[in-house]
Amino acid sequence: GAGVSQTPSNKVTEKGKYVELRCDPISGHTALYWYRQSLGQGPEFLIYFQGTGAADDSGLPNDRFFAVRPEGSVSTLKIQRTERGDSAVYLCASRQEGGPTNEQFFGPGTRLTVL
Amino acid sequence: AQSVTQLDSHVSVSEGTPVLLRCNYSSSYSPSLFWYVQHPNKGLQLLLKYTSAATLVKGINGFEAEFKKSETSFHLTKPSAHMSDAAEYFCVVSDRRGNNRLAFGKGNQVVVIP
Repeated sequence: GAGVSQTPSNKVTEKGKYVELRCDPISGHTALYWYRQSLGQGPEFLIYFQGTGAADDSGLPNDRFFAVRPEGSVSTLKIQRTERGDSAVYLCASRQEGGPTNEQFFGPGTRLTVL
Repeated sequence: AQSVTQLDSHVSVSEGTPVLLRCNYSSSYSPSLFWYVQHPNKGLQLLLKYTSAATLVKGINGFEAEFKKSETSFHLTKPSAHMSDAAEYFCVVSDRRGNNRLAFGKGNQVVVIP
């Protein structure tokens, strides 16, 4: 079946602009995660959704970052007033809650470049 | 809080020789442990996982890892490196009692020398 997809694959924007990054999880996966991978680093947790609600947003770096998942499937990560330090690869992962393992399946990521 | 330590950010191995990537973890609860591989311009791929079953875990592409609770380690090994093993490898810990958020190590960039 289809895996996790993310769009766009690349996004270049100017400092101060607003961006939206989209994640389509595996069908039926109720848990969804966003991570950010800066250059030369491992991914870092941003936010976790259980269904439609954000169960843990403790990884969001500041209030410029926000994410939604209104129907419990597709999620959008929104970044306001982008800064050059926001440049990174943003990864989405989904997981089947109650499944035999707690494996997360990752999408290919969106590479965000803030000029 | 949970965390992972991976030393040796860059590792060079000769083709056909063993690969050893070290990982030590810290977790308040009984952890799940994973190794993921990331090839250039590709997504993260799960190599193997430990979730409290057998302590010696076999994964894809000939990799395996051994969970040692007394040493809080989960080192990744492969008997013979192949050119296609050149990639970045991440050791990851997850708290199964919580929301299963993943904590990644900084990664090992593996270079395979022909």
